[in-house]
This record gives sequence, structure tokens and C-alpha cells, in this order.
Amino acid sequence: AQKITQAQTEISVVEKEDVTLDCVYETRDTTYYLFWYKQPPSGELVFLIRRNSFDEQNEISGRYSWNFQKSTSSFNFTITASQVVDSAVYFCALSGSNNDMRFGAGTRLTVKP
Amino acid sequence: EAGVVQSPRYKIIEKKQPVAFWCNPISGHNTLYWYRQNLGQGPELLIRYENEEAVDDSQLPKDRFSAERLKGVDSTLKIQPAELGDSAVYLCASSLDGSRTTDTQYFGPGTRLTVL
Repeated sequence: AQKITQAQTEISVVEKEDVTLDCVYETRDTTYYLFWYKQPPSGELVFLIRRNSFDEQNEISGRYSWNFQKSTSSFNFTITASQVVDSAVYFCALSGSNNDMRFGAGTRLTVKP
Repeated sequence: EAGVVQSPRYKIIEKKQPVAFWCNPISGHNTLYWYRQNLGQGPELLIRYENEEAVDDSQLPKDRFSAERLKGVDSTLKIQPAELGDSAVYLCASSLDGSRTTDTQYFGPGTRLTVL
């Protein structure tokens, strides 16, 4: 069975602080994909990144960076110099061999000015 | 390019009433998904379509929920009759080819259903 755990239910930071959102996954598949989505108050899930199980290279996109470690089954997401517009619920998700995407419960990030 | 379109955005109904949600996927996307998102939780898949065919409806409560995707483009999700526990956000997503694990799903804004 596939499972995503986002242990942090809510995080609150002050603008310009760095923040890391944790994601731990469980799967028996050898080939799988991990995703991060952002859900702002408007409700729409916005795709941020996709990472396959064979590519452990970290990725940086502007203020966003992702750390994928198969040894610890983690795919953590860091926002550098956070901004108020980063306030949202962030979901980590896993898609395996049956193409069934499983989402974590989400982490609500609040960035205060 | 237009994203996934859903309507209505909000719906309030009395229990036992029927309700329907509509979704138009991104042009050219063959796969369409309906998810339900309960408050404080992540989305959970209800049904997945590959073109007109429902290829995964194992999580769809078939006693009261039904869905269709005529002509392999837009789709309708119906609940009849609605129960209090159906209050949630219903999200539609689409992807180019959901048969591939590599596929990325793009989501619409959702329909927030409140059953009174």
C-alpha cells in the first residue's frame, strides 16, 4: 500500500524566514513519482514539482527547493525567504505502478508580514 | 491555455436532494479524474476516465454517486440523494495520458458542496 505522511499540520513563520515542509512516503513500487502541490485559499491545486524514483538530484526553482532522499523515504520542500503569498496548504503526493495518486493530509503554511 | 474548468464553484442543498457537478478538462487531455477533498484532508480519488471509459471507479460510492464522460471531453458527477457526509470539495483534474505513471495531473478550482 502507498502512504504519504505530512507530520506538520500547521506551520507559521514570519516573512523572510526559511521554512521546510516534510514529506515521508511508503511504497513497495520500485518505480514511482513524487509530487508537491500548492493549494491557495482559492482552492485550486497548483502543480509545483514532479520527481521520479530514480532521480535523487535536489532541485531548485527560485525560492523553492526540494530534497529527495530514498534512504529515508523523504521528499522535503524548502521555501527560502518566505513571502506572504506563500501562505497556502501544501500537499505531497505519490503515484506508483497502479497510477493511483495518493495525497498526504497537507501542511498549512502561514507567512506573517 | 485554459485550465480545468468546473462549475458551480459553490453549492448548498438540503439532504436527500440531488446535485450535479460539471468539469471541462484541459484541451487534449485524455484522462479525467474526480476527487473528493474533506476538510483538513488531501484529495481522494473517486473515479478516473481514460477518454470515455471509467478505468478506476473502485472508490466511487455507487449507491448514490454516478459519473459520465460523454464524447471523452467534459464530465458530470452526480449525487442522488445527497447526505450530510457528502459535504466536501469536489475536485476535477485532467492529464495527457493517465496510463503513464509519469503523468502530471492539473486541477480545477473545485466545487464546494454543503449539505444541510
